[in-house]
Amino acid sequence: DAKTTQPPSMDCAEGRAANLPCNHSTISGNEYVYWYRQIHSQGPQYIIHGLKNNETNEMASLIITEDRKSSTLILPHATLRDTAVYYCIVRYTGTASKLTFGTGTRLQVTL
Amino acid sequence: GAVVSQHPSWVICKSGTSVKIECRSLDFQATTMFWYRQFPKQSLMLMATSNEGSKATYEQGVEKDKFLINHASLTLSTLTVTSAHPEDSSFYICSAPAGLAAYNEQFFGPGTRLTVL
Repeated sequence: DAKTTQPPSMDCAEGRAANLPCNHSTISGNEYVYWYRQIHSQGPQYIIHGLKNNETNEMASLIITEDRKSSTLILPHATLRDTAVYYCIVRYTGTASKLTFGTGTRLQVTL
Repeated sequence: GAVVSQHPSWVICKSGTSVKIECRSLDFQATTMFWYRQFPKQSLMLMATSNEGSKATYEQGVEKDKFLINHASLTLSTLTVTSAHPEDSSFYICSAPAGLAAYNEQFFGPGTRLTVL
């Protein structure tokens, strides 16, 4: 699976959009970009995934660049409950479904 | 979404004892489950892949005789930490992919915090 690079930490004011970047310059054509988050002392929670088109769901939006070498997770209106570690993961769509977690970005949402 | 549970949520044991952690998929069947370990302020590290009806696949550096995995049914996988020592104290998390699609999402359990005295 391709490696990803994320900033170790970010701050965001409550109510503002949180934009979390991820670099995956070695991604291959059939690898998807997944985003998970982990709130302290809980299991990770799936947020969103995509291949090459931008995606949006009730939690977030995922913007993938045209060359697919980077992506941005957008939380449109961050709340205190969005404070968590966010993981960007790239993986093949094989049946193994193995997820390899990097160090992630610790997002702190403040008042 | 699909729900994965773990039991117990936390456990404290004496050094040298064995501890069993259960991972259940509550509303779906999982032929494959994954076990992760997470030390404080670190990321999740995949330990092994649990396969229903066959042997588990362990990641490099994980002792299979110490971390026994049994996937006895399509909804239950267990991880037994044998002869636990303080260095085994960690947060253990399981996950399972839901659905048959190759790009299906994984659902994680709430985790089990193990403390070995």
